[in-house]
Amino acid sequence: AQSVTQLGSHVSVSEGALVLLRCNYSSSVPPYLFWYVQYPNQGLQLLLKYTSAATLVKGINGFEAEFKKSETSFHLTKPSAHMSDAAEYFCAVSDMEYGNKLVFGAGTILRVKS
Amino acid sequence: NAGVTQTPKFQVLKTGQSMTLQCAQDMNHEYMSWYRQDPGMGLRLIHYSVGAGITDQGEVPNGYNVSRSTTEDFPLRLLSAAPSQTSVYFCASSYSGRPNYGYTFGSGTRLTVV
Repeated sequence: AQSVTQLGSHVSVSEGALVLLRCNYSSSVPPYLFWYVQYPNQGLQLLLKYTSAATLVKGINGFEAEFKKSETSFHLTKPSAHMSDAAEYFCAVSDMEYGNKLVFGAGTILRVKS
Repeated sequence: NAGVTQTPKFQVLKTGQSMTLQCAQDMNHEYMSWYRQDPGMGLRLIHYSVGAGITDQGEVPNGYNVSRSTTEDFPLRLLSAAPSQTSVYFCASSYSGRPNYGYTFGSGTRLTVV
């Protein structure tokens, strides 16, 4: 069965500091991995996805994530946080065996301090 | 280009009442799904459909019904609302058989059961 673990339900960084949001997954077959962002009172928006091509994936708003099979990880990073990055971030996994179903992590709320 | 449209945005129900949450998409996506979002629990799959006339249960289906008579629409019915169904509900769509594609989400319905 698939599962996703996001380490840290809340992360706080200063504006201009590195953002690192952690995601570990479990999948019995090669996974597809996604990061979504949710701004307050809005739906989820796709930030980036890994689909077995390049292991370093670049997304919108300066975010990127690296797929590491040996560590079963897909951590999200951004070199310099901006106030507008404050939101909740979700990691999700799917695979060909599980079909279209996406399994989500519990989410990480990112706070950016001025 | 509306994407995924959910109505209503907000709803308050009394215990025991029934209602239907509407979801419509205009992207010709075969796959549609309903999730509920609760604090600290991420998104949990309620029901999904891989095409018109085909539906199946997700992780938390009890108390909910769905049908899929057209490609565009996927309504979610609460048969007899309970306070435990207080949540934010999201509809999402994608292409069937393409788990690497990712989802397009609606903006959500915030439901309170009193």
